[in-house]
Amino acid sequence: AQSVAQPEDQVNVAEGNPLTVKCTYSVSGNPYLFWYVQYPNRGLQFLLKYITGDNLVKGSYGFEAEFNKSQTSFHLKKPSALVSDSALYFCAVRASYRSNDYKLSFGAGTTVTVRA
Amino acid sequence: SAVISQKPSRDICQRGTSLTIQCQVDSQVTMMFWYRQQPGQSLTLIATANQGSEATYESGFVIDKFPISRPNLTFSTLTVSNMSPEDSSIYLCSVVTNTGELFFGEGSRLTVL
Repeated sequence: AQSVAQPEDQVNVAEGNPLTVKCTYSVSGNPYLFWYVQYPNRGLQFLLKYITGDNLVKGSYGFEAEFNKSQTSFHLKKPSALVSDSALYFCAVRASYRSNDYKLSFGAGTTVTVRA
Repeated sequence: SAVISQKPSRDICQRGTSLTIQCQVDSQVTMMFWYRQQPGQSLTLIATANQGSEATYESGFVIDKFPISRPNLTFSTLTVSNMSPEDSSIYLCSVVTNTGELFFGEGSRLTVL
């Protein structure tokens, strides 16, 4: 079975401060890891993914995430948050050995609020 | 990436009626999925829409309640049948691109009274 935990329901930061959204995963074998963002009344937008290679992955809108195999984590980060980053963020995982199975397991989501 | 169009974007329906949601992709994709996002919750996979054959449903979802069609590689429909207030959700179409990423439509926000 595969699963994702996002331990924080909400994250509040001031604009210009670093932003971190936490994610840990459980999967058999090597993981494929993803971050998505959902703005109010919108669908999900892909931010970034980790498949293999460099543990630090850079994505859209200045976001990056670091894969840590020993801690089974894939935390999302942004060095300087913007008010426009306020949204709902989802971490997702699937097991890489299931090459033809693209079904993702999503975390519960973390609401990020960036105050001006 | 893929451009995914869903219709309707939102609807308000009466209990006991059915609603069909359409998903159109701007390119041929091998895999299409339907997800549900209940209010304040995460995404749950309903089924994999298979081109030219019956959809593959996840545990807890059945064809009678959520019939799905996929007549070609760019189009799929999801019907929510005999609706109840518990079916009030956002229904999202998603596709897998040739780079292995999963992209989502804007979603169809359904309210059942």
